[in-house]
Amino acid sequence: QQQVKQSPQSLIVQKGGISIINCAYENTAFDYFPWYQQFPGKGPALLIAIRPDVSEKKEGRFTISFNKSAKQFSLHIMDSQPGDSATYFCAASVIQGAQKLVFGQGTRLTINP
Amino acid sequence: KAGVTQTPRYLIKTRGQQVTLSCSPISGHRSVSWYQQTPGQGLQFLFEYFSETQRNKGNFPGRFSGRQFSNSRSEMNVSTLELGDSALYLCASSFSSPYGYTFGSGTRLTVV
Repeated sequence: QQQVKQSPQSLIVQKGGISIINCAYENTAFDYFPWYQQFPGKGPALLIAIRPDVSEKKEGRFTISFNKSAKQFSLHIMDSQPGDSATYFCAASVIQGAQKLVFGQGTRLTINP
Repeated sequence: KAGVTQTPRYLIKTRGQQVTLSCSPISGHRSVSWYQQTPGQGLQFLFEYFSETQRNKGNFPGRFSGRQFSNSRSEMNVSTLELGDSALYLCASSFSSPYGYTFGSGTRLTVV
């Protein structure tokens, strides 16, 4: 029940295209859903996060879509650029009680120029 | 502002030895969490400290331990190292876990 399942494992998108990464969770107590971006040799960096009271959140080219009934959320990267090539992790947590982040397995995204 | 600093960046240890990793959080952040990252298991939570108290612990054996000092700096210790402990160990700090974690670049531990 603590798992977060992420797909696909790897993704290749042409420059200018839309990259879509999906995550699903089981624990309905989760109420915080962040996405992290990790470049080789670096730690993950927070990209964008959403709470379940909204269905979508947009920051620049990055959008989180959240479907509470399906227990799914996704990251959309619009106008994907070669500099977006990185590994992306979804995560989930319960805010109350300072709970840990549970991470998905990651998606290696490659943007072809 | 300075980010999360982890030292050392790389370590090579022999099976059976012990190791101590250090993490200096962002100034003002009182919550420090540790994660283990491996290709097979991904990112797994080790423990979280707030104001020198361990608030949360993951499913790791007792060989993994940590502590936090009054200046919020944290250390984690792994005793009796095993080959399977080879991993990237990441430290993250925040004002209030789990919001807004900022991760360090990690310590790459190799056990031979």
